[in-house]
Amino acid sequence: AQTVTQSQPEMSVQEAETVTLSCTYDTSESDYYLFWYKQPPSRQMILVIRQEAYKQQNATENRFSVNFQKAAKSFSLKISDSQLGDAAMYFCAYRSPFSNDYKLSFGAGTTVTVRA
Amino acid sequence: GAVVSQHPSRVICKSGTSVKIECRSLDFQATTMFWYRQFPKQSLMLMATSNEGSKATYEQGVEKDKFLINHASLTLSTLTVTSAHPEDSSFYICSAGQGAREKLFFGSGTQLSVL
Repeated sequence: AQTVTQSQPEMSVQEAETVTLSCTYDTSESDYYLFWYKQPPSRQMILVIRQEAYKQQNATENRFSVNFQKAAKSFSLKISDSQLGDAAMYFCAYRSPFSNDYKLSFGAGTTVTVRA
Repeated sequence: GAVVSQHPSRVICKSGTSVKIECRSLDFQATTMFWYRQFPKQSLMLMATSNEGSKATYEQGVEKDKFLINHASLTLSTLTVTSAHPEDSSFYICSAGQGAREKLFFGSGTQLSVL
């Protein structure tokens, strides 16, 4: 089974500043998907960004970008120009396209607080 | 975008009763649905994977007789917590997808409180 590790239980960032969340994973596959999900207090899971392992270019979505280091099995998320609405729990997740159940394996999560 | 509807959003029940939670894909056919459980400030723990028309695959440690999953159609999966006890109180989330390389969509979750 794939293991996803988020080593930062909590991160705090000043509004308008930048914060980076770390994520590492363990896999023997060369083709897979990586995700960052946001879970605000409403508890609705929101997809922030998705990265396909065979694409070398780092994915970006507006203020959110990733640093995907395939050899190091690292997948960090950078939130630029942080806003109060970014406060949430963030989960890194892995998915294999080859297994029949293609389930998501989640990390433990990082709680991000944004200081006004 | 695709929508997954999950009902109820909150349920309170007495110990010993059964509770059914529904997960519907509103505008796409979901070949696979997943059921997760989440405790406060913790990650999502996969309970089971259900494929339409076949038996669900349960994760290790999940009691299949306690958490009954039915995926009778391509748009509906249900999770029934049988003979619920206070330790079953948790947040339950479903997700649905169309294939291994397609996006997964999440329901809004169900907070179960067993008294």
